[in-house]
Amino acid sequence: DAGITQSPRHKVTETGTPVTLRCHQTENHRYMYWYRQDPGHGLRLIHYSYGVKDTDKGEVSDGYSVSRSKTEDFLLTLESATSSQTSVYFCAISGASGSTEAFFGQGTRLTVV
Amino acid sequence: QQPVQSPQAVILREGEDAVINCSSSKALYSVHWYRQKHGEAPVFLMILLKGGEQKGHEKISASFNEKKQQSSLYLTASQLSYSGTYFCGTRGLYDYKLSFGAGTTVTVRA
Repeated sequence: DAGITQSPRHKVTETGTPVTLRCHQTENHRYMYWYRQDPGHGLRLIHYSYGVKDTDKGEVSDGYSVSRSKTEDFLLTLESATSSQTSVYFCAISGASGSTEAFFGQGTRLTVV
Repeated sequence: QQPVQSPQAVILREGEDAVINCSSSKALYSVHWYRQKHGEAPVFLMILLKGGEQKGHEKISASFNEKKQQSSLYLTASQLSYSGTYFCGTRGLYDYKLSFGAGTTVTVRA
């Protein structure tokens, strides 16, 4: 199994509070992605990174920010959590070539109350 | 932009076949297929590359029409273990994004 760990695995937080989710990899892969999964919407890309300090927006980036100061860590921050951000968040990693598969973390279930 | 998958759901009996389609509005470098079981992370099935190369780990086949930016996943002689939600992921020629569709839920019954 690819070395990718998400933390925390579960979190309940209050509306308006900031929240940071962490994705840690031991594979030295270049690309890292954050997705949210909601019923009927599949996996929607929030932000992604193509190298240290190189990040870009995905399809649903409003209300989220990311940082990647080291190859192995990709942080997702909800600046002021809202109930609409209640979701399951997945991190994924893939190698340098577009011909390599992506590996997913086990997911973080976030509930905003 | 998310690729579009169809159908949304399909119910099969063991041994039956099914096709899942995926289409994109942008020029693609690769198409990825994943399967997700309930409560688990998506797991890689297959990748199809521009130029025809195909890599997979299971006995599930797929095709990629580069001109139409469409891909199809073929489930043949389905087994109970094929049940799950299938996602196609697309990677463009000119960006690093890996975008996924809304998924197709496959239920295989005995």
